[in-house]
Amino acid sequence: DQQVKQNSPSLSVQEGRISILNCDYTNSMFDYFLWYKKYPAEGPTFLISISSIKDKNEDGRFTVFLNKSAKHLSLHIVPSQPGDSAVYFCAALGSGGSNYKLTFGKGTLLTVNP
Amino acid sequence: GAVVSQHPSWVICKSGTSVKIECRSLDFQATTMFWYRQFPKQSLMLMATSNEGSKATYEQGVEKDKFLINHASLTLSTLTVTSAHPEDSSFYICSARDGRLAAETQYFGPGTRLLVL
Repeated sequence: DQQVKQNSPSLSVQEGRISILNCDYTNSMFDYFLWYKKYPAEGPTFLISISSIKDKNEDGRFTVFLNKSAKHLSLHIVPSQPGDSAVYFCAALGSGGSNYKLTFGKGTLLTVNP
Repeated sequence: GAVVSQHPSWVICKSGTSVKIECRSLDFQATTMFWYRQFPKQSLMLMATSNEGSKATYEQGVEKDKFLINHASLTLSTLTVTSAHPEDSSFYICSARDGRLAAETQYFGPGTRLLVL
């Protein structure tokens, strides 16, 4: 049972345009949501996060939007650059306890064409 | 940002042998380390959570006798794949949490590619 879902396995956009990556979740108890960027044969690199009590967080070209009622979040990258081409993982951090486990989606391969 | 290293980055072994993978936090003390496995085109799947000085907590379906985890110090956790078989071939990634920082802050290692022949 996937608690974090990224339904688009891939996305292709033109350089300079906006990239929108989507993520849905089922567990309303998640505290934080995070986006990671990953290249093949490398570990994920943290991009941006958002607390469950907020609806928007912005950092440079990256903005994450959270819609709690829809259990949906999205990552906007604008303007997109060829160097942004990678797999993007959405992850959610569980609430309570002492383990702070991350639950990952399957990822979306973003390709930014020059 | 904080750095987490993994060693080795690549390992090829024969079926039946055991392989040890190290995960180190280089400039912070990791109160908690996590081990993930990623199969091609799949998500990162959490295998186990290890807290320094205590036994690891394994996720459902992960054999603790096959994947031995030791978190002997605040900067080192090891994952030993015992009696490895071809189906254990995967990309193993660790992450480490700095207990002084916010709960959502985890740093990932570069991963270890295991190929069992």
